[in-house]
Amino acid sequence: KQEVTQIPAALSVPEGENLVLNCSFTDSAIYNLQWFRQDPGKGLTSLLLIQSSQREQTSGRLNASLDKSSGRSTLYIAASQPGDSATYLCAVDFWGGGADGLTFGKGTHLIIQP
Amino acid sequence: EAGVTQSPTHLIKTRGQQATLRCSPISGHTSVYWYQQALGLGLQFLLWYDEGEERNRGNFPPRFSGRQFPNYSSELNVNALELEDSALYLCASSLEGGTNEKLFFGSGTQLSVL
Repeated sequence: KQEVTQIPAALSVPEGENLVLNCSFTDSAIYNLQWFRQDPGKGLTSLLLIQSSQREQTSGRLNASLDKSSGRSTLYIAASQPGDSATYLCAVDFWGGGADGLTFGKGTHLIIQP
Repeated sequence: EAGVTQSPTHLIKTRGQQATLRCSPISGHTSVYWYQQALGLGLQFLLWYDEGEERNRGNFPPRFSGRQFPNYSSELNVNALELEDSALYLCASSLEGGTNEKLFFGSGTQLSVL
């Protein structure tokens, strides 16, 4: 069974720090991996999508890397801000069928202290 | 441009009743996905509609059903509600439902079953 695991489940850091969120997945034959942000009681916002052939994607202060051979992805957040506080979810497409085939991790709840 | 909209925001029902949740995708998007996010669990895929047809369903009982209308909006129906159906129900849309397409989520409907 394909699984996606995110560690830690929760993280609290002071404002301004650089931080790394981790995502691991079983089965290296993936089609893509996505990172989402979820604010309390809200839907998800897509942050970055890394296709199978790519090693990393960048958007502003966010950088996501993908290492299929080790079954890992990291989301790097530079110069963290209180507005970055949210739950970050990793989702993996193991089947290549699109969003119906995404397997989500349970997320990392991030708090940035002002 | 309007994002994915869901209604109602909150819904309170009693066990055994039926619930109807609604979703309007981003203009131009033909694929609509429904997910369940129960407390302590990751997002679970429920249903996928594209061009008015049900394309796939997740591992949920038949009392979870829905449809997609000619304008691509969608409805999720949950019959014979059970306490464990209490969850945040999220709708997402994508352009055509293909692999590597970005997903856009609504803010969700919080369903409480008493």
